[in-house]
Amino acid sequence: DGGITQSPKYLFRKEGQNVTLSCEQNLNHDAMYWYRQDPGQGLRLIYYSQIVNDFQKGDIAEGYSVSREKKESFPLTVTSAQKNPTAFYLCATTRTTGLIYEQYFGPGTRLTVT
Amino acid sequence: EDQVTQSPEALRLQEGESSSLNCSYTVSGLRGLFWYRQDPGKGPEFLFTLYSAGEEKEKERLKATLTKKESFLHITAPKPEDSATYLCAVQAVEYGNKLVFGAGTILRVKS
Repeated sequence: DGGITQSPKYLFRKEGQNVTLSCEQNLNHDAMYWYRQDPGQGLRLIYYSQIVNDFQKGDIAEGYSVSREKKESFPLTVTSAQKNPTAFYLCATTRTTGLIYEQYFGPGTRLTVT
Repeated sequence: EDQVTQSPEALRLQEGESSSLNCSYTVSGLRGLFWYRQDPGKGPEFLFTLYSAGEEKEKERLKATLTKKESFLHITAPKPEDSATYLCAVQAVEYGNKLVFGAGTILRVKS
């Protein structure tokens, strides 16, 4: 079964704890992205990675960290420094073939911090 | 100023009542405009990419069109199962490989 896997689907944490969200893909896509979605707002980019061992900050990177040690995996850590971490987190990959550019999303992880 | 604006924020239709969703953008150097469907609690599902003004793409009851300033997602004879949030995103030269998303249009189709 091909695609993008995010786990867990729901995650609950106490304030002050770091938490890591998993994103795995078997599409052989080079680029991977993390977005945050809040009600009434568009998706906002947290971090992205275009190749292994390299990643760039997006628009709202503060309080988050990532790693890209393997092409298939792009985990996101939500640190205690993130002031409002409760949100729906989406991982995406991009297929780029010539002029074709398509971005696909995983099922998402809903994080609740209390 | 928002780079990508979707309207209306919410739309209620009767089954079979055709309508259109709008996505306007102010970026320069557009490389692609993307439409997604998102069901509650799920990740967005890719629908279309449009690359140049005048381009049109269709999928079942959906048809997407693109001009130099906006895109329309036309829904013909919608059914209740078309109810979802529809997201628009643009890729532009100024943003490199990043997409900029609109806030979405929530569509409800009643039988």
